[in-house]
Amino acid sequence: AQSVTQLGSHVSVSEGALVLLRCNYSSSVPPYLFWYVQYPNQGLQLLLKYTTGATLVKGINGFEAEFKKSETSFHLTKPSAHMSDAAEYFCAVSEGNNAGNMLTFGGGTRLMVKP
Amino acid sequence: DVKVTQSSRYLVKRTGEKVFLECVQDMDHENMFWYRQDPGLGLRLIYFSYDVKMKEKGDIPEGYSVSREKKERFSLILESASTNQTSMYLCAAQGGGTEAFFGQGTRLTVV
Repeated sequence: AQSVTQLGSHVSVSEGALVLLRCNYSSSVPPYLFWYVQYPNQGLQLLLKYTTGATLVKGINGFEAEFKKSETSFHLTKPSAHMSDAAEYFCAVSEGNNAGNMLTFGGGTRLMVKP
Repeated sequence: DVKVTQSSRYLVKRTGEKVFLECVQDMDHENMFWYRQDPGLGLRLIYFSYDVKMKEKGDIPEGYSVSREKKERFSLILESASTNQTSMYLCAAQGGGTEAFFGQGTRLTVV
């Protein structure tokens, strides 16, 4: 069975500071990994995904994440936080590329950006 | 991109009412999902469907049922709404194990 753990339900950074949101997963097969962002009263929007190939993936809004198999991690980073980055972020894992392999989500991390 | 449309953004219903939440996708994706989202609990899977007329229970199916008569439409039914079903409901569509595309969500209040 797959699972996802996001360390820190709330993270606060200053505008311009590094953003680091942590995600660890467990999976019995090579995983597909995703980060989603949710703005207030909205659905989830895909930020980036890792399926195969390059382990450093770049997404929208300047975010990137690195798949580290040895650490079973997929942490999300952004070099310089902007006020508009304040939102809730969800990490998710899927086991492979077959129909019926649903995503399992972490508990979410709420990012707050201080001026 | 796939567009997933949920029929209502906000809904207020009375205890005991039968409630239908509708979700439509505009691509030919096999998988569709219903989640509920509550503060501190993240997203919890209620039901999913991987084909027309096929459904599987998720983590919290009690008090809910679903219907998928056509590939593009996946309905969530609250047979007899209760106050503990007040929540944000999110529908998603997914093809071939890749990313899921989400609707805007329905914030349901049961009074």
